[in-house]
Amino acid sequence: KNQVEQSPQSLIILEGKNCTLQCNYTVSPFSNLRWYKQDTGRGPVSLTIMTFSENTKSNGRYTATLDADTKQSSLHITASQLSDSASYICVVRDDRGSTLGRLYFGRGTQLTVWP
Amino acid sequence: DGGITQSPKYLFRKEGQNVTLSCEQNLNHDAMYWYRQDPGQGLRLIYYSQIVNDFQKGDIAEGYSVSREKKESFPLTVTSAQKNPTAFYLCASSIDVQGAYEQYFGPGTRLTVT
Repeated sequence: KNQVEQSPQSLIILEGKNCTLQCNYTVSPFSNLRWYKQDTGRGPVSLTIMTFSENTKSNGRYTATLDADTKQSSLHITASQLSDSASYICVVRDDRGSTLGRLYFGRGTQLTVWP
Repeated sequence: DGGITQSPKYLFRKEGQNVTLSCEQNLNHDAMYWYRQDPGQGLRLIYYSQIVNDFQKGDIAEGYSVSREKKESFPLTVTSAQKNPTAFYLCASSIDVQGAYEQYFGPGTRLTVT
């Protein structure tokens, strides 16, 4: 069964600290993995997208890693800011060779940054 | 939120009434989607459309209907047959970026049915 599991479910850190969010998936065949940031009551916004051949990608203070062999990804946030408080969603796309690969969504990690 | 607009942001309806959620995009994307988001759950696909006048059911299409008469518009109707309609609804559109089909989401509509 194709699934995407994220951990932890929620996380509280102090402003300025670093943190790492985890994503494990069983989606096969694999096409790409995306991390989205979703502020409360808003639509998700893409942070990074990685294909099978990429093992790291950065977007400012956000760095995503991908280990396609172990089917694990992480999102590392450096020097956290209050505005980083949001839900971070891991999404994996399968590769069915069609114009519409299926997306599998994790439940998200709710990050809260305290001053 | 890019060039995708959803309206209204909040919607309240009485049980038994049909309600239509609007989704418009000016990104010239061919594909559009509707998702439902409930607390503590991942997004679930309701319907999707790859081209005008064509759409397909997603995982939880029962109690919902859509139309795609224009490339820019993909409205979702929540019918009285949907047993638990209260949720946050997200519309998205996608474009092929080197085979990745990057999805862009709208700001969402929170529907409350009492």
